[in-house]
Amino acid sequence: KAGVTQTPRYLIKTRGQQVTLSCSPISGHRSVSWYQQTPGQGLQFLFEYFSETQRNKGNFPGRFSGRQFSNSRSEMNVSTLELGDSALYLCASTDGAGGETQYFGPGTRLLVL
Amino acid sequence: GENVEQHPSTLSVQEGDSAVIKCTYSDSASNYFPWYKQELGKGPQLIIDIRSNVGEKKDQRIAVTLNKTAKHFSLHITETQPEDSAVYFCAASRVSNYQLIWGAGTKLIIKP
Repeated sequence: KAGVTQTPRYLIKTRGQQVTLSCSPISGHRSVSWYQQTPGQGLQFLFEYFSETQRNKGNFPGRFSGRQFSNSRSEMNVSTLELGDSALYLCASTDGAGGETQYFGPGTRLLVL
Repeated sequence: GENVEQHPSTLSVQEGDSAVIKCTYSDSASNYFPWYKQELGKGPQLIIDIRSNVGEKKDQRIAVTLNKTAKHFSLHITETQPEDSAVYFCAASRVSNYQLIWGAGTKLIIKP
């Protein structure tokens, strides 16, 4: 099976702009989780989507949003970008049954200038 | 809220020696404990996991131990090799709640 894919891999934006990142899960997986990773901050959970519904949400401001499509592909959007949003954004997929392996994509590295 | 503490943040060991990374969790209802390895430029990958009905699990040079009473679990890597150099993350969850709580990560450095 193909792994989790994320596009684009690298992105440079300026403050105030918005950005959309895409994640295609492993075929058959219905759950997609998004994480923000910054140096020394580990993995900060953004949200999880299962069958097109947001099932869990982390402690991020409303500028961070997401959605999931009927084919399980997911997008996350960040509006009004701030310098502090510069990070590696990772998505992970599972089949959604709970407690099992999360398969991560390679991430999208976002730089906000 | 629930949290997972991971120590040390950096660990440097001589090639061939053993490495141990420890995590403590706060939610006593947690019952699933995976360990992930993240190499430079890649997303994390699961290397081993353990469920609360088991005290220890081994896979070649890697083992995980779980002490439910003390609410801590550890990753043990024996006979370390250069390719073990990476960042390791522990996590904990309740199977019913679908969300992993992550430790802050340990950078493991294998010295030649």
